[in-house]
Amino acid sequence: EIVLTQSPGTLSLSPGERATLSCRASQSVSSSYLAWYQQKPGQAPRLLIYGASSRATGIPDRFSGSGSGTDFTLTISRLEPEDFAVYYCQQYGSSLPYTFGQGTKLEIK
Amino acid sequence: QVQLQESGPGLVKPSQTLSLTCTVSGGSISSGSYYWSWIRQPAGQGLEWIGHIYTSGSTNYNPSLKSRVTMSVDTSKNQFSLKLNSVTAADTAVYYCASAIAVAGYNWFDPWGQGTLVTVSS
Repeated sequence: EIVLTQSPGTLSLSPGERATLSCRASQSVSSSYLAWYQQKPGQAPRLLIYGASSRATGIPDRFSGSGSGTDFTLTISRLEPEDFAVYYCQQYGSSLPYTFGQGTKLEIK
Repeated sequence: QVQLQESGPGLVKPSQTLSLTCTVSGGSISSGSYYWSWIRQPAGQGLEWIGHIYTSGSTNYNPSLKSRVTMSVDTSKNQFSLKLNSVTAADTAVYYCASAIAVAGYNWFDPWGQGTLVTVSS
């Protein structure tokens, strides 16, 4: 099983600032099969990024993903008030089970 | 566009079986190649993939739950289902259904249902 470790656990920033969230895998994620999700309280996760760097439909271009192998990053270029939420990475490579990171909480400073 | 909606009892007694159904609307469950998944989230915690069922009925389960999980699909009702037996308080969580394209490299989860809280308590 591939274990995903996200850091930091909590990130405190102000609107307008840049956010950088990390996701590290215990073994290489095949072909960058990694996704990022945003979850707000009481809501289901929403797909943001797939294939490590492709934005899902309707996702603003301030969200970007990068990385390969075992190290992946989600960057939010300029935080909007609605971006404060919990973010999860998930690998969907060739080895089951699919796994998620433990999440990074992005909170308003 | 496809939408998913979970349904089922919100309270299950310890040692009994948790049963949930996910209804698919806006498309046919048997059209295209999709994995129909269940994912759960205990309060204040992260996400755990439980397993998925393909339209043909073939399944893959998380090894951590495999001995207790059964998934099925009912194409006539456009639904798929989850059964988790011998539940304990540790199975208390919000349960989500979600779909993923059943092609290698396309297995991200989108869309998701809104989730349903299942509490295991006597």
